[in-house]
Amino acid sequence: GAVVSQHPSWVICKSGTSVKIECRSLDFQATTMFWYRQFPKQSLMLMATSNEGSKATYEQGVEKDKFLINHASLTLSTLTVTSAHPEDSSFYICSARNGVNTEAFFGQGTRLTVV
Amino acid sequence: GEDVEQSLFLSVREGDSSVINCTYTDSSSTYLYWYKQEPGAGLQLLTYIFSNMDMKQDQRLTVLLNKKDKHLSLRIADTQTGDSAIYFCAESMGTDKLIFGTGTRLQVFP
Repeated sequence: GAVVSQHPSWVICKSGTSVKIECRSLDFQATTMFWYRQFPKQSLMLMATSNEGSKATYEQGVEKDKFLINHASLTLSTLTVTSAHPEDSSFYICSARNGVNTEAFFGQGTRLTVV
Repeated sequence: GEDVEQSLFLSVREGDSSVINCTYTDSSSTYLYWYKQEPGAGLQLLTYIFSNMDMKQDQRLTVLLNKKDKHLSLRIADTQTGDSAIYFCAESMGTDKLIFGTGTRLQVFP
């Protein structure tokens, strides 16, 4: 299958700072990328959907000013957690697909710990 | 609303079959998926089934769909220790949005 790479795999940051997570599709063009958040022992919650060159569509309850998503190219989307707080600590996973009704490939996830 | 539920935990002996169950509430689902998540990793798509199908078999994996009861199951034959992971079912309604279940942690013991 196609490869989606997330970077970094894990990050620890101080409260109040911002953290950027990258999601890259390595061998295909990702017209759509998704960002999920996973709490310990819980399911994945879709945060937002981004199409290349367009503003991201956020799910209800997700603060768009807190979680900035940029999908500037067909192979890269970034999620920036601004002014991070300990409650933002979580596992963030991206997925990418090329086209509609095609398989979405998942990155390996980024574990964010805010101290 | 959309709600997908799974039992939290399943423990099986190596070589036995595992059956992971999932119930969903939205009858307009078009595709239903099974994903595997190993510790600290992203999700790997195992298999999927279109909503007008009852069964799909792919090597050791068998997916059964009971659309009337909104029940989906994943059977893993000859379960191996490498199958230990968390398994998520997910549904989509033909849009980009996937609704994930709560996940079932499968533990395989020798």
